[in-house]
Amino acid sequence: AQSVTQLGSHVSVSEGALVLLRCNYSSSVPPYLFWYVQYPNQGLQLLLKYTSAATLVKGINGFEAEFKKSETSFHLTKPSAHMSDAAEYFCAVRNYNQGGKLIFGQGTELSVKP
Amino acid sequence: NAGVTQTPKFRILKIGQSMTLQCTQDMNHNYMYWYRQDPGMGLKLIYYSVGAGITDKGEVPNGYNVSRSTTEDFPLRLELAAPSQTSVYFCASSQQMRGSTDTQYFGPGTRLTVL
Repeated sequence: AQSVTQLGSHVSVSEGALVLLRCNYSSSVPPYLFWYVQYPNQGLQLLLKYTSAATLVKGINGFEAEFKKSETSFHLTKPSAHMSDAAEYFCAVRNYNQGGKLIFGQGTELSVKP
Repeated sequence: NAGVTQTPKFRILKIGQSMTLQCTQDMNHNYMYWYRQDPGMGLKLIYYSVGAGITDKGEVPNGYNVSRSTTEDFPLRLELAAPSQTSVYFCASSQQMRGSTDTQYFGPGTRLTVL
């Protein structure tokens, strides 16, 4: 079975500091991995996705993630946090059954302090 | 291109009432999904559809029904609403083809409270 674990339900950083949101996955087959962002009272917006083409994936708003098979990780980073980055972030793995549903982690809420 | 739209945005139901959550996509995607999001949790799949006329259960289908008569629309029906169905509901769609990355695009959500 596939699963996703996000370490830390809440992360707080100062504006301009490095953002690191952790995601570990479990999958018996090569995974498709996604990071989504959810701003308050809005739907989910795709930040980036890993589809086996390249291990370092660049997304929108300056975010990137690195796929590390040996560590079964897909951590999300951004060199310098901005106030507008405050949101909930979800890591997800595509399931190979049930219509390719996404299996989500529990989410990490990112706060950015001025 | 509106993407995925959902109505209503908010709704309060009394226990035992029924309602339909509407979802429409204008991207001609073949796959559509309904998820629910409970506080502090990721999203869980309720139902999905791989094309018009074809639907199947997800992880948490009890208390819900769906239909898909057109490519664009995928309504979710709640019969006999219960407090456990208080949640935020998201509709999503994707174009799945062999070899595609089939990104799912999400609607803005419907916040449902059952009292």
